[in-house]
Amino acid sequence: SYELTQPPSVSVSPGQTASITCSGDKLGDKNACWYRQKPGQSPVLVIYQDTKRPSGIPERFSGSNSGNTATLTISETQAMDEADYYCQAWDSSTVVFGGGTKLTVL
Amino acid sequence: QVQLVESGGGLVKPGGSLRLSCAASGFTFSDYFMSWIRQAPGKGLEWVSYVSSSGNTIYYADSVKGRFTISRDNAKNSLYLQMNSLRAEDTAVYFCARDLDSISSLDYWGQGTLVTVSS
Repeated sequence: SYELTQPPSVSVSPGQTASITCSGDKLGDKNACWYRQKPGQSPVLVIYQDTKRPSGIPERFSGSNSGNTATLTISETQAMDEADYYCQAWDSSTVVFGGGTKLTVL
Repeated sequence: QVQLVESGGGLVKPGGSLRLSCAASGFTFSDYFMSWIRQAPGKGLEWVSYVSSSGNTIYYADSVKGRFTISRDNAKNSLYLQMNSLRAEDTAVYFCARDLDSISSLDYWGQGTLVTVSS
């Protein structure tokens, strides 16, 4: 079965750029999404189809996807960005989520 | 505005059954594919099942195949998940979500309903 691998944690200083990676076999050939989930809340879509931002998501959030790696980049990181982030892709009639990355802003 | 409201969760014994519902409003329900996703306590997201807008195409995760059944009633703007032969490992918060582009970009999620399987 298809697997997506994310680092368990990423730390970033306020105002700096955070990058969260998601690895999977030929992931660049698929459409990658990213979700943000804060404690006790439902996930929120922040990037879809590799690079697109839903309405209401700040321009600070961007995505890329090539080869075996998709990347979520958050520029000018703020304390409010601290959350768990999950990548997701569609493969062979199955929706696959990465294990999640805890972003800490310190 | 788009709203998804899950219901039907609760405590059930191993081997038991439960039916979850998801009431949709604020959009044309029959135009969208829908998914169920679950999250065990303290764990990550796990996709459970997916149904096309018409209900004709359905997929399941291997972990629930043969035990869970997804369905929808477009006239009632509702999505369902019938869960049978429940196991302890099915304990999770279950979310329903709308598929933005029919390739599983899930743009709206409900608040979730907790299912606890325990004796």
